[in-house]
Amino acid sequence: DGGITQSPKYLFRKEGQNVTLSCEQNLNHDAMYWYRQDPGQGLRLIYYSQIVNDFQKGDIAEGYSVSREKKESFPLTVTSAQKNPTAFYLCASKVGGALNTEAFFGQGTRLTVV
Amino acid sequence: SQELEQSPQSLIVQEGKNLTINCTSSKTLYGLYWYKQKYGEGLIFLMMLQKGGEEKSHEKITAKLDEKKQQSSLHITASQPSHAGIYLCGADRYSGGSNYKLTFGKGTLLTVNP
Repeated sequence: DGGITQSPKYLFRKEGQNVTLSCEQNLNHDAMYWYRQDPGQGLRLIYYSQIVNDFQKGDIAEGYSVSREKKESFPLTVTSAQKNPTAFYLCASKVGGALNTEAFFGQGTRLTVV
Repeated sequence: SQELEQSPQSLIVQEGKNLTINCTSSKTLYGLYWYKQKYGEGLIFLMMLQKGGEEKSHEKITAKLDEKKQQSSLHITASQPSHAGIYLCGADRYSGGSNYKLTFGKGTLLTVNP
């Protein structure tokens, strides 16, 4: 079955450590997105990529980094520069370059930094 | 500032009651998506509206996009506990070059009491 997979579901890290969240899709989608969700804040866009080897900063990119070396994969690294990393992170994908197409979401990763 | 404003932020209704959630954009929309989210999970696509004046229904949920394509409403008839969750509206936003970013409102938390 085609879909988008995020792993792990729960992640704990010590303050000051970098951590990488995985997002893999087998839907042959060009566009991929990373969002952060905090209570009462909805989904805030961190980074997005419309095509392999290219990505753009979203609204809250500071303290995060991404890579898009393969069409199927869009990993997100939460660096030690991110002041409040504890949050629920969601990855999504959709047909690239096309408006008004459904985005598919992973089940999310809950990151807790202690 | 939030590009998509949702209201109300939260809503508590008795089972069987009707309810409406609104989503307003300051700019004309290419189209408008509605998603539902259970706490701690990914987003589930409900429907997409593209044309001004368009209305779509799925089971007991109806969504409309106004003629100016700046406001949408989601209406649930005879609510059930299974309708409980967070409802989010989303839209594609042009971000320069050939890039579009997918942004969301802050969401509406719906509680349905049996």
